[in-house]
Amino acid sequence: DVKVTQSSRYLVKRTGEKVFLECVQDMDHENMFWYRQDPGLGLRLIYFSYDVKMKEKGDIPEGYSVSREKKERFSLILESASTNQTSMYLCASSFSYNEQFFGPGTRLTVL
Amino acid sequence: QKEVEQNSGPLSVPEGAIASLNCTYSDRGSQSFFWYRQYSGKSPELIMSIYSNGDKEDGRFTAQLNKASQYVSLLIRDSQPSDSATYLCAVNPLRNKLTFGTGTQLKVEL
Repeated sequence: DVKVTQSSRYLVKRTGEKVFLECVQDMDHENMFWYRQDPGLGLRLIYFSYDVKMKEKGDIPEGYSVSREKKERFSLILESASTNQTSMYLCASSFSYNEQFFGPGTRLTVL
Repeated sequence: QKEVEQNSGPLSVPEGAIASLNCTYSDRGSQSFFWYRQYSGKSPELIMSIYSNGDKEDGRFTAQLNKASQYVSLLIRDSQPSDSATYLCAVNPLRNKLTFGTGTQLKVEL
């Protein structure tokens, strides 16, 4: 079974803090994704990566950056957290054009 | 026009009935289609994938694809209360990315 893990299930941070969310997959997938999910807005793609050190912006990259130094690990960074970044963050991975597998999610609250 | 459209629901069906969930998409070049189930507070879980026109069955689930009509559906037979969840349709129109619909909430009533 594909396993995608995320570093935290719940996280509470203060406005202005730098926040790191980490995602690890164990299936040697080439593609990894970061989404946020908000009620009524569905899943929105923040960034994705199709290879080590490669990244592309998704639909809502503003306020976020990413890092992929190893194939199995994809990190999302909030440089200066703001209250409007309170959300559920979901990491996913996939092989080529195939289905994506999601991690359990991190519910981030920014106070 | 949204790229992937789903009725948000809620769709209510009695236990044991067939639930029919629908999805339309705008990009005719789309090649891969997926259905995910998401329970409240949990992450999406893949339940079906379909790549060619027609029906694909897996247990109580049947996915149907009609590329000419740009339409994909999910049928759930013998619906159970445990099927109550939000169902997300996802379409692969470009490279390795998926475009998701906003989901249909299904409620299976006793």
